[in-house]
Amino acid sequence: DVKVTQSSRYLVKRTGEKVFLECVQDMDHENMFWYRQDPGLGLRLIYFSYDVKMKEKGDIPEGYSVSREKKERFSLILESASTNQTSMYLCASSSGQGVPYEQYFGPGTRLTVT
Amino acid sequence: GESVGLHLPTLSVQEGDNSIINCAYSNSASDYFIWYKQESGKGPQFIIDIRSNMDKRQGQRVTVLLNKTVKHLSLQIAATQPGDSAVYFCAGARDHNTDKLIFGTGTRLQVFP
Repeated sequence: DVKVTQSSRYLVKRTGEKVFLECVQDMDHENMFWYRQDPGLGLRLIYFSYDVKMKEKGDIPEGYSVSREKKERFSLILESASTNQTSMYLCASSSGQGVPYEQYFGPGTRLTVT
Repeated sequence: GESVGLHLPTLSVQEGDNSIINCAYSNSASDYFIWYKQESGKGPQFIIDIRSNMDKRQGQRVTVLLNKTVKHLSLQIAATQPGDSAVYFCAGARDHNTDKLIFGTGTRLQVFP
């Protein structure tokens, strides 16, 4: 089974702090994604990576950056955390080959910025 | 722009009844749709998918129906059980070239005895 893990389930940070959210997948997937999930808004794509060192902005990239130095790891960085970035963050991966589009999700990181 | 939405934020059903969760989309280019289930405290999990060249697909206790004419899809759960309580999302492929999906806002299914 595909396993996607995220470094923290819960995180509390202060406004202005730099925050790193880590995601690791163990299925050699090409594609990795970061979403944020807010009530009534569903899942919104922040960033997408289709290969090592390759990234593409999603729908709401402002205030975020990403890093993918190794195929299995995709990091989301909040350069200067703000209270409006309090949310649930979900990482996902997909193979990019064969049956497309199915994404496998991690358990999520609930980030609170105070 | 492109959108995928769900009709109802909450659906309450009695245990043993059938559940129908609806979803509408606007992107005619979507050739793939997927339903996810998200239980409390967990990430979304794949339930079933369907390609645009099909209008129906069945899984174990679940059926997805796709009506391309009115850009509507639905998830039917037979004999709903307490373990089916969760938030259900539909998602559609943004285009043919990547694995990016557009997600709906979700319907919370509540099953009562």
